[in-house]
Amino acid sequence: GQQLNQSPQSMFIQEGEDVSMNCTSSSIFNTWLWYKQDPGEGPVLLIALYKAGELTSNGRLTAQFGITRKDSFLNISASIPSDVGIYFCAGQQNTNAGKSTFGDGTTLTVKP
Amino acid sequence: DGGITQSPKYLFRKEGQNVTLSCEQNLNHDAMYWYRQDPGQGLRLIYYSQIVNDFQKGDIAEGYSVSREKKESFPLTVTSAQKNPTAFYLCASSILGQGNIQYFGAGTRLSVL
Repeated sequence: GQQLNQSPQSMFIQEGEDVSMNCTSSSIFNTWLWYKQDPGEGPVLLIALYKAGELTSNGRLTAQFGITRKDSFLNISASIPSDVGIYFCAGQQNTNAGKSTFGDGTTLTVKP
Repeated sequence: DGGITQSPKYLFRKEGQNVTLSCEQNLNHDAMYWYRQDPGQGLRLIYYSQIVNDFQKGDIAEGYSVSREKKESFPLTVTSAQKNPTAFYLCASSILGQGNIQYFGAGTRLSVL
């Protein structure tokens, strides 16, 4: 099946720093989604992207749908301790088919 | 409140035993999904269902079974054929055709005794 390469695998940053992570694929996706998972909980949607080149913000989070439709980026500005968790990207090739392919996640640790 | 409820939160399985994980949603969503999550790995799709009385295998269906007799319920059975069942299991649901944003339950952690 399709694979998403998500990087970096983990990040250790100081509170207040900005964070960048990305997902790449050899396949084209029509939708990109970014989720955050807290320990022992299910993932929660952060941002959804539906159009190539689209740049969308949600508070301190900004995500972009790559022009080639094979990648997506998530940036977090001015990180705070509650940003700690695992961030997943997910891509969909056919919105109506109901299937998403998930990256392996980026584990973020924020030091106060 | 609307949402997805998974139960139990923790489950222990003995060797050779079948166990069933519950997933219920009151969001009136068409589609439901089961994922398996192992440490350091992403979510891998086990089974999904787009409509009642129909379901499809995902990427790692071997050793698992599901049913979709009601729109709001999608139970997952981990059979004795699944030799490495220890994992975090996540259920999700979505409205098909509306960006297919999946909403997740809080998960069930399954361990082998």
